Amino acid sequence: GQQLNQSPQSMFIQEGEDVSMNCTSSSIFNTWLWYKQDPGEGPVLLIALYKAGELTSNGRLTAQFGITRKDSFLNISASIPSDVGIYFCAGQLWSGGSNYKLTFGKGTLLTVNP
Amino acid sequence: DTEVTQTPKHLVMGMTNKKSLKCEQHMGHRAMYWYKQKAKKPPELMFVYSYEKLSINESVPSRFSPECPNSSLLNLHLHALQPEDSALYLCASRTGWATNHHTGELFFGEGSRLTVL
Repeated sequence: GQQLNQSPQSMFIQEGEDVSMNCTSSSIFNTWLWYKQDPGEGPVLLIALYKAGELTSNGRLTAQFGITRKDSFLNISASIPSDVGIYFCAGQLWSGGSNYKLTFGKGTLLTVNP
Repeated sequence: DTEVTQTPKHLVMGMTNKKSLKCEQHMGHRAMYWYKQKAKKPPELMFVYSYEKLSINESVPSRFSPECPNSSLLNLHLHALQPEDSALYLCASRTGWATNHHTGELFFGEGSRLTVL
């Protein structure tokens, strides 16, 4: 099956710093999604990317769909304490008919020191 | 606020109990999902329903039994679970339902935290 390599596994940064994390895959995806999950809550969708090369922003977040369709990165600018959480990348592949499968990376745990 | 509602938020059950987790969405999505998530791990797919029919079962043990009574509801019936089944169970639904292009996003509920004693 497909596997996603997400890095880094964890990050400790100071408030105000920029953050970058990425995901790579051995095979292509149709869609890349980035989620944030707070403890005890479900993942919340941050950004969805649909086309190779696409660069999309959502406030202080910027994500790109790699041109090879095998990678994606997420940048967070000017981090704030509420950015703390686990960030997951997810690659989505249409597997025929009405079946879409989402494969998750292992997550990046972000800690922001005030 | 999530538009996928899961109940209960917390459930504690013994290994001989029968219980159910419930999920509801009123966004008109026609695909719904159950995921299992252990602490500090990514969600793992269990089941997918599309148009109220089971379309994917990721080799889940039969002690987990999904049910989709209608397009807005998804249940997960639990029976004879093991302590290792303790986890956060996430329901999700999908937008952008089309078979000839690859858009659509998965929206998750807040999860049901299950503890099996």
